[in-house]
Amino acid sequence: GDSVTQMEGPVTLSEEAFLTINCTYTATGYPSLFWYVQYPGEGLQLLLKATKADDKGSNKGFEATYRKETTSFHLEKGSVQVSDSAVYFCALSDADSYGKLTFGQGTILTVHP
Amino acid sequence: GAVVSQHPSWVICKSGTSVKIECRSLDFQATTMFWYRQFPKQSLMLMATSNEGSKATYEQGVEKDKFLINHASLTLSTLTVTSAHPEDSSFYICSASGARYGYTFGSGTRLTVV
Repeated sequence: GDSVTQMEGPVTLSEEAFLTINCTYTATGYPSLFWYVQYPGEGLQLLLKATKADDKGSNKGFEATYRKETTSFHLEKGSVQVSDSAVYFCALSDADSYGKLTFGQGTILTVHP
Repeated sequence: GAVVSQHPSWVICKSGTSVKIECRSLDFQATTMFWYRQFPKQSLMLMATSNEGSKATYEQGVEKDKFLINHASLTLSTLTVTSAHPEDSSFYICSASGARYGYTFGSGTRLTVV
């Protein structure tokens, strides 16, 4: 079945540091890939997505590239801010899964001033 | 953009009572709604998928008689936790899927059973 594996957290960075959160996946077919962000006590917000190989999703300074050869979708940001502190989830949707999202375990990011 | 409203945002109930959680798509028609459960510091576990006008499809291990899902219209789905017990305490999140907007998540409901 489909699965998503994220790097374990928590990740603690200083403001303006470079961020990478690794995400790899296993799926049949050609899934769409997503990054969601969850702030404390809230639901999930879509951060970015990519629907086919070599696509780059980007939003709010975050980027991730759909790498089919390495089955990866790593999240990066060049300079993090304190307001980026949240939990980040990598997810996939397989065309055969009738729209269900499969989530990674989540990575807690804390950014200090 | 697409907005999904989920109510209540938090609820405390006594053991043995039932609790209903509503999920509404405010500005689009959601052909499919998903219900997730999230344990502290863990990922989201899909509980069930509901399509308007039909019975929900439950994931393996989820008790359909305990977690009743109704998707009566294209804008409303409800999750009822029946005879709640402390182990049902969790964060429940709905997601609505429409043709134009993809997946949109509600803000979640924190259920505490005492």
